[in-house]
Amino acid sequence: DIQMTQSPSTLSASVGDRVTITCRASQSISSWLAWYQQKPGKAPKLLIYKASSLESGVPSRFSGSGSGTEFTLTISSLQPDDFATYYCQQYNGLWTFGQGTKVEIK
Amino acid sequence: EVQLVESGGGLVQPGGSLRLSCAASGFTFSTYSMNWVRQAPGKGLEWVSYISSGSSAIYYADSVKGRFTISRDNAKNSLYLQMNSLRDEDTAVYYCGVGTQGRIDWGQGTLVTVSS
Repeated sequence: DIQMTQSPSTLSASVGDRVTITCRASQSISSWLAWYQQKPGKAPKLLIYKASSLESGVPSRFSGSGSGTEFTLTISSLQPDDFATYYCQQYNGLWTFGQGTKVEIK
Repeated sequence: EVQLVESGGGLVQPGGSLRLSCAASGFTFSTYSMNWVRQAPGKGLEWVSYISSGSSAIYYADSVKGRFTISRDNAKNSLYLQMNSLRDEDTAVYYCGVGTQGRIDWGQGTLVTVSS
């Protein structure tokens, strides 16, 4: 099984900050990585797929990069609506998820 | 547009059974593999089960192996999850998901609560 290690688990930031979340795969997954945003009581919302493709309707302040085993999600300027939990997911074979990163207000 | 609608969740006693369904539309269901994923209250996302397009390949997470059975009916564009011998720790929102055109789509989920 491919393990996904996501860091940090919690991140405190202010509106306007640049935020970076990292996901590391236990083996190469090429670019088969997605990033999601989740708010309480809601289903995960797809932000990025194939490591760097922005989902339609998602603000351009979100971006993804990486390939192989190292991936990052960057929010260029954090907005009030962005305080949420973020997950990475690999889909190179059976799906696995990172542990999640909660982005909190500093 | 891909649409996935889960149903069949509810309250069940430990040791009981429940059958979840996922109705798919907006894509050629019979040509894509499908997955079930769950999320326990306050916890992260956990992959549960996979079924290939023609049902020839099926996989389960160790936590549900021997208790859950995934199946599909391509004529009805439907995915199923039969859950037997349910435990408290199976309490979660269950989502069906599909990967198409390199991206992932999910339904809105159905809540399963296992409690006496």
